[in-house]
Amino acid sequence: DGGITQSPKYLFRKEGQNVTLSCEQNLNHDAMYWYRQDPGQGLRLIYYSQIVNDFQKGDIAEGYSVSREKKESFPLTVTSAQKNPTAFYLCASSTRGTGTGELFFGEGSRLTVL
Amino acid sequence: DAKTTQPNSMESNEEEPVHLPCNHSTISGTDYIHWYRQLPSQGPEYVIHGLTSNVNNRMASLAIAEDRKSSTLILHRATLRDAAVYYCILRAIPYGQNFVFGPGTRLSVLP
Repeated sequence: DGGITQSPKYLFRKEGQNVTLSCEQNLNHDAMYWYRQDPGQGLRLIYYSQIVNDFQKGDIAEGYSVSREKKESFPLTVTSAQKNPTAFYLCASSTRGTGTGELFFGEGSRLTVL
Repeated sequence: DAKTTQPNSMESNEEEPVHLPCNHSTISGTDYIHWYRQLPSQGPEYVIHGLTSNVNNRMASLAIAEDRKSSTLILHRATLRDAAVYYCILRAIPYGQNFVFGPGTRLSVLP
């Protein structure tokens, strides 16, 4: 079945460590996104990518990095520079240009810093 | 991208209709109105979208005001599984990439 797969679902990290969250899609979508969600809050955009080898910062990119070497993959690295990384992280994808523009989301990765 | 405002929370009884409002007074002519919902500890899922005309699908109906400055998501018969946070967002064509998710409306469904 087509969809977005995020891994791991739960991740624990010690302070000062970098961690990488995986996001893979088989929907043949050009655009991919990373969001952060804190308890009781809406989604905030971290990074997005419209095509391979290109990505742009969202509203809260500081302390995060991404790569887009393949169309189907958009990993997010949470670096030690991110001051408060404990959160729920969501990856999404969509078509570009015309069409419904529907966003497809993964099931999320919950990161806890110990 | 234009922003939307929604009530923080709403309550409904099971099997009754629910009308979830959304204001988007700064909407532009190329903005589509999208609705998503998020169940606890899950990613949001698409519900419905529209541009000018009212829309129906198997999940819900979308009523759009004539001036497009507001819209209403209608769940015809709420079930306990409809308890979720509902987000109304605007999606520009060609797609603006930094569309904004606000805090949404938390819908509680009472048995």
